[in-house]
Amino acid sequence: GENVEQHPSTLSVQEGDSAVIKCTYSDSASNYFPWYKQELGKGPQLIIDIRSNVGEKKDQRIAVTLNKTAKHFSLHITETQPEDSAVYFCAASNGVTSYDKVIFGPGTSLSVIP
Amino acid sequence: DGGITQSPKYLFRKEGQNVTLSCEQNLNHDAMYWYRQDPGQGLRLIYYSQIVNDFQKGDIAEGYSVSREKKESFPLTVTSAQKNPTAFYLCASTTPGGYKAFFGQGTRLTVV
Repeated sequence: GENVEQHPSTLSVQEGDSAVIKCTYSDSASNYFPWYKQELGKGPQLIIDIRSNVGEKKDQRIAVTLNKTAKHFSLHITETQPEDSAVYFCAASNGVTSYDKVIFGPGTSLSVIP
Repeated sequence: DGGITQSPKYLFRKEGQNVTLSCEQNLNHDAMYWYRQDPGQGLRLIYYSQIVNDFQKGDIAEGYSVSREKKESFPLTVTSAQKNPTAFYLCASTTPGGYKAFFGQGTRLTVV
C-alpha cells in the first residue's frame, strides 16, 4: 500500500522567512496530493492541493510543487507570519476506485518566531 | 452549512467504562474515518468505512469498535479493552476516491 514520509518533523523559522516541507510517496499510482494545516486543538483543514497533471500550484503565500518522477512533493510558505505556526500534514491518494483511501504523512510542526 | 460534527468536544471516562464518540456529516460522502492523535504525534488510523454497513480496521483498531448504519453517521466506541485511551480523536470524511478530506473539530477523551 501507499506510504507517505514527511520531513522535517519540526521546523522553526523567523517571521518573514520562507518555510519548506517535503514529502515522498511510494505508490506511483497516486495522483492527488493535498496539504492540511492543523491549529492547536482543532481538526486539520485543507490549505492547498495538487493533481498529478500539474507540476506547481500557488495560492498567495503558499505553493506546492510535485515531481512525479522522483515521487516527491513540497509545500512552500513565503513571508511567514506567526499565524502560520501549526502542524502541517501532507497526504496522497490515487482515487482509482471509490474504495481508495487517503494516506497522511506524519506531520511537521512549524513554529514562526516573531 | 455542510460539514462534519463531532461530539462531545471533551469527554471524561472512568477506567473500565465504554464510551461512544459521535461523528455526523452532511456532505453526502461515502467514506468516513476515525483517527487518534497523541500529543506531538501524527494521525493514526483506527477504522474507516467506504460504504454503509461496511468498515475496515486501520492500524490501531484494538480496543475500539465502530458501526456504519447510516451514511451520515460513524460512531466510535472506545471499549474498556483499550488500555491507554486518553487522546484526541478526529473524524473525517472524503470525497469519492479518497480525495479531499474534511475533518471534525475533534473529541478530547481523558480517562480519570
